[in-house]
Amino acid sequence: AQRVTQPEKLLSVFKGAPVELKCNYSYSGSPELFWYVQYSRQRLQLLLRHISRESIKGFTADLNKGETSFHLKKPFAQEEDSAMYYCALVGVTGGGNKLTFGTGTQLKVEL
Amino acid sequence: KAGVTQTPRYLIKTRGQQVTLSCSPISGHRSVSWYQQTPGQGLQFLFEYFSETQRNKGNFPGRFSGRQFSNSRSEMNVSTLELGDSALYLCASSFTGTGDNEQFFGPGTRLTVL
Repeated sequence: AQRVTQPEKLLSVFKGAPVELKCNYSYSGSPELFWYVQYSRQRLQLLLRHISRESIKGFTADLNKGETSFHLKKPFAQEEDSAMYYCALVGVTGGGNKLTFGTGTQLKVEL
Repeated sequence: KAGVTQTPRYLIKTRGQQVTLSCSPISGHRSVSWYQQTPGQGLQFLFEYFSETQRNKGNFPGRFSGRQFSNSRSEMNVSTLELGDSALYLCASSFTGTGDNEQFFGPGTRLTVL
């Protein structure tokens, strides 16, 4: 079975402070990991994915297979980063497009 | 390019009724997935269709079903509605069926069961 755990329901930081949203996963095969974001009154959208190894809006995420983690990081939080963040996993082998989501972390950036 | 569209956006039904939700994917996308979002259970995968075939199915009862048409548009049906079926139903499309593809989400259909 595949599982994604986001331990924090709410994370509150001040503008300019570093951000780390935690994500741990459980999957017996080789997974693809994603971070999706939902800004207020907008659709769920892809923020970044492991396979691309890119930085989007200053966010990065490193896949640590030993710790089965895919934490999302940003060195300096901006007010516009306030949103709901979901970590998600797809099993590469026969997984198709079945995304397993974590419960989400609400990030609030305060001035 | 137009995004994923879902109709209707809001729906109110009573227990025991059935409902059909529609999803139009981005042009050229062949994979359509459905998710249920509730405050208690979060985002849960319902099923995925690719080239008119159901390829994956989540852990939902048989009351939940779907189909995909030759133009990739998809519908999901819920029969014998229960109060617990009240949720936001999201549809997502992607270009191919490989898991590393980005999925593009629609705005959702808010279903309320009274």
